[in-house]
Amino acid sequence: AQTVTQSQPEMSVQEAETVTLSCTYDTSESDYYLFWYKQPPSRQMILVIRQEAYKQQNATENRFSVNFQKAAKSFSLKISDSQLGDAAMYFCAYVNRDDKIIFGKGTRLHILP
Amino acid sequence: KAGVTQTPRYLIKTRGQQVTLSCSPISGHRSVSWYQQTPGQGLQFLFEYFSETQRNKGNFPGRFSGRQFSNSRSEMNVSTLELGDSALYLCASRLQVLDNEQFFGPGTRLTVL
Repeated sequence: AQTVTQSQPEMSVQEAETVTLSCTYDTSESDYYLFWYKQPPSRQMILVIRQEAYKQQNATENRFSVNFQKAAKSFSLKISDSQLGDAAMYFCAYVNRDDKIIFGKGTRLHILP
Repeated sequence: KAGVTQTPRYLIKTRGQQVTLSCSPISGHRSVSWYQQTPGQGLQFLFEYFSETQRNKGNFPGRFSGRQFSNSRSEMNVSTLELGDSALYLCASRLQVLDNEQFFGPGTRLTVL
């Protein structure tokens, strides 16, 4: 069975600095999708960024980028120029070939003014 | 377009009761998924409905059931409530299955006393 591990339950970063959230996963599949979701204190979860496993190029969305290391089964999220609105719970998620999604336990990110 | 809506937002029940939660997807979205979020277990997939048929199911007991109506609205039912069912229940919709972007609702906070 696939698993997703986020080893940092909480992190803090100074406003305008860069922070990296870690995610590792375990799978025997070669074709899958990876996601980072953000859940702000209001609780509505939104998609931050996605990565197709067959693509070698790391996905980027404005200040958010990933470091996808397929062989190492690692999928970290980098947030550049952190803003107060980035404070949230971040979930890493894996979608397998049966289209089932598995979430990590989440990392709570605090932004220090 | 209106987002995913869930009703009620908060619910308090006692052990042994049953509860029904409702989810209205984004207009035009045909797939609705349900998730349970708890501090201990994180986010866990319950089931997904597409065109009124259950398409995928997570590892939850039979007390958890759902259905989808012809207008894509979905309901989730939990019978014989247990204290451990206290959680935030999230609903997410997407346009089609295998469409990777899911849109989440605000959730229903269920407390079982």
